[in-house]
Amino acid sequence: EPVLTQSPGTVSLAPGERTALSCRASQSVSSSYLSWYQQKPGQAPRLLIYGASTRATGIPDRFSGSGSGTDFTLTISRLEPEDSAVYYCQQHWSFGQGTKVEIK
Amino acid sequence: EVHLVESGGGLVQPGGSLRLSCEASGFSFSTSWMTWVRQPPGKGLESVANIKEDGSEKYYVGSVEGRFTISRDNAKNSMYLQMNGLRGEDTAIYYCAKNRPGGIYENWGQGTLVTVSS
Repeated sequence: EPVLTQSPGTVSLAPGERTALSCRASQSVSSSYLSWYQQKPGQAPRLLIYGASTRATGIPDRFSGSGSGTDFTLTISRLEPEDSAVYYCQQHWSFGQGTKVEIK
Repeated sequence: EVHLVESGGGLVQPGGSLRLSCEASGFSFSTSWMTWVRQPPGKGLESVANIKEDGSEKYYVGSVEGRFTISRDNAKNSMYLQMNGLRGEDTAIYYCAKNRPGGIYENWGQGTLVTVSS
């Protein structure tokens, strides 16, 4: 099972800015099974992106995913206050350790 | 609308047992893989166990193998996690999740807290 490493650990940005969150796998993984989740404080995780780049139902288009092989990216353009959360990548059993996004 | 409701969490002593339940509605439960995912307080997510649509295949993370048992009752639209030999490191919020093909956790319940402490 590949190990997923996310970076940065925490990012702090202003509303309207853009950020790119990285997820690096220890070995090549199928992009079909790479997903991203958002978890707000006190809430369950929510599926954002699956298949590396397909937005889940109801996810706004300011969230986008890309990548292949061992390097994947979740991009959030035009950050909004409600995007403050921890973001996890996942492939089968493995989760990354998460990236915390703070909105100033 | 998909709805997943976990129950059965609580405080238990080390070595004790607990049975978690996940009641599902709003989708075809009998045609969906299901997974238990846990999250220790302040930490990240860990897949614990999953089960095939008809219950014929079950998989566990190594740290719970032999102690936890996943099961389901499709007639009751419910999934269960029997946890025996509980340890402090099993303390976590336990979520049930509906899978879509490829091990993607498409929908999540609100979670139930399990605390293992004397």
